[in-house]
Amino acid sequence: DGGITQSPKYLFRKEGQNVTLSCEQNLNHDAMYWYRQDPGQGLRLIYYSQIVNDFQKGDIAEGYSVSREKKESFPLTVTSAQKNPTAFYLCASSIPNEKLFFGSGTQLSVL
Amino acid sequence: GDSVTQMEGPVTLSEEAFLTINCTYTATGYPSLFWYVQYPGEGLQLLLKATKADDKGSNKGFEATYRKETTSFHLEKGSVQVSDSAVYFCALSLYTGGFKTIFGAGTRLFVKA
Repeated sequence: DGGITQSPKYLFRKEGQNVTLSCEQNLNHDAMYWYRQDPGQGLRLIYYSQIVNDFQKGDIAEGYSVSREKKESFPLTVTSAQKNPTAFYLCASSIPNEKLFFGSGTQLSVL
Repeated sequence: GDSVTQMEGPVTLSEEAFLTINCTYTATGYPSLFWYVQYPGEGLQLLLKATKADDKGSNKGFEATYRKETTSFHLEKGSVQVSDSAVYFCALSLYTGGFKTIFGAGTRLFVKA
């Protein structure tokens, strides 16, 4: 079945540590996105990518980094510069300007 | 900058009541507009969309009309059911060197039997 797979489902980060969230899709979509969901704040865009080897910053990119070396994969690294990383992270993909398909999310917490 | 503003929740209604969730947007250019729904314990899924002014999106009894003059895309349903209890997100998609989708804060709806 086609879809988006995010892993892990739960992740814990220690002080000063970088952690990487995985996102893989087999929908053959060109566009991929990372969002952060905090209670009462909806989804905020971190990074987005329209094609391989290209990506743009969203509204809250500071403290995060991404890569897009393959069409199917769009990993997100939460760096030690992100001082408030505890949140629910959602990856999505789409045909550009069409509806987004979402993964099941990763809950990141700080130890 | 580009943004989406939704009415704050939670909204609590009795079954068969009329529902309106307000959504307004600010955007440079001509966005496509969407409503997504997140049922308890599930991911977000598309409810309906409209791609140009005066278009009406509809699905499962929900409707929303793209109003360019008021930059609005209000969600309505004539008679809600308990199963409609969920969080509803208004969103826009816009080209800014690449298509990006921006979401509102979400509105939680509770429907009582």
